[in-house]
Amino acid sequence: QSALTQPRSVSGSPGQSVTISCTGTSSDVGGYNYVSWYQQHPGKAPKLMIYDVSKRPSGVPDRFSGSKSGNTASLTISGLQAEDEADYYCCSYAGSYTGVVFGGGTKLTVL
Amino acid sequence: QLQLQESGPGLVKPSETLSLTCTVSGGSISSSSYYWGWIRQPPGKGLEWIGSIYYSGSTYYNPSLKSRVTISVDTSKNQFSLKLSSVTAADTAVYYCARHVTTVTTDYWGQGTLVTVSS
Repeated sequence: QSALTQPRSVSGSPGQSVTISCTGTSSDVGGYNYVSWYQQHPGKAPKLMIYDVSKRPSGVPDRFSGSKSGNTASLTISGLQAEDEADYYCCSYAGSYTGVVFGGGTKLTVL
Repeated sequence: QLQLQESGPGLVKPSETLSLTCTVSGGSISSSSYYWGWIRQPPGKGLEWIGSIYYSGSTYYNPSLKSRVTISVDTSKNQFSLKLSSVTAADTAVYYCARHVTTVTTDYWGQGTLVTVSS
């Protein structure tokens, strides 16, 4: 069982927006502004999409955005494109003892 | 362009020690700006952070694996390594080596290597 809770799947049509939630506790997501999001296509290594809750690495389209409210972080993808179909994982710092925790992953299907 | 490449046996027997090495090219492992770490993914499942190391040798481990994990760095070879002892079938996974900007922000990943624990 993963430390952070994500929906198993979400879907949307091309051009639409979808939001993926990542729920933790005050000891991880709620306690630090260190939440990252990763995109993983089948058979590939994960790719960093969002870091520090809402920052985008260079090269990541601005269609991807991140936010946080309380113990829940969110990844929003607007203007869905076929290539966005992938698994998405959230990741949070959880203190010096626990270190790093991941969500269980969300499969995004572009209809 | 930074590249990371995992190497090591793809098959390990139960109770033995899993050993993997990550070779870093296109950049120095001695940079004070980064950590280096290991993350694994069992087949069909999610990601699990194993641990990270700073070039100075400071280590940070997942508490659930800490008793079995050792991560070390060899700056002369621009490599870092993972040892996981007393493995069981539950340790079967794709193991990724990675560069962390912070322990949570992983900007470069290796391609991953599947390690199967089986007799």
